[in-house]
Amino acid sequence: DTAVSQTPKYLVTQMGNDKSIKCEQNLGHDTMYWYKQDSKKFLKIMFSYNNKELIINETVPNRFSPKSPDKAHLNLHINSLELGDSAVYFCASSPGKGLADEQYFGPGTRLTVT
Amino acid sequence: AQKVTQAQTEISVVEKEDVTLDCVYETRDTTYYLFWYKQPPSGELVFLIRRNSFDEQNEISGRYSWNFQKSTSSFNFTITASQVVDSAVYFCALSEAIVNDYKLSFGAGTTVTVRA
Repeated sequence: DTAVSQTPKYLVTQMGNDKSIKCEQNLGHDTMYWYKQDSKKFLKIMFSYNNKELIINETVPNRFSPKSPDKAHLNLHINSLELGDSAVYFCASSPGKGLADEQYFGPGTRLTVT
Repeated sequence: AQKVTQAQTEISVVEKEDVTLDCVYETRDTTYYLFWYKQPPSGELVFLIRRNSFDEQNEISGRYSWNFQKSTSSFNFTITASQVVDSAVYFCALSEAIVNDYKLSFGAGTTVTVRA
């Protein structure tokens, strides 16, 4: 059973389009995250949700909007895609939002904007 | 400012050699956690170890070992007798409190290539 799953795995689209990435976890965790990994492999947190509530919102353009319909799902919608949005986006989850919680990552979604 | 520094961008070794990955962190908190994650070529990040700021005991798990030294703010990772399957990007990360919550900050990663 896949613990944290993301769809799609690959996404190729043109500038200006709107796209969504879906994430689901079956671990019963309370907290979910979105990370962006750039071409140099640098990982940066974008958002985190705890029990459907937004708790971390890093400096991310307003074009990115997360939505958590329930605590097992966290989707990421991106409007007006730009070339700089090309990256691998990782979803993750953790049992709580505590200092010690290890995070479980999904397989990533490679977004390519042309 | 970078919270976690992994000075080595890439390391290439021959199988059976030992390899040590450096990690230096920066925090004002007295309570924090350090992590190592592995990202193999398949892309998924895998948790390896967690260490809290009050536990400076070194840890060994099979061919992996970790050396935590608060005095130098370092949490180094050694792979003994490396194997080709160890080829991956390894990330060190720091979990600390931010305002009303907690945040995990990753280093830039060290790419390890183990040649047969």
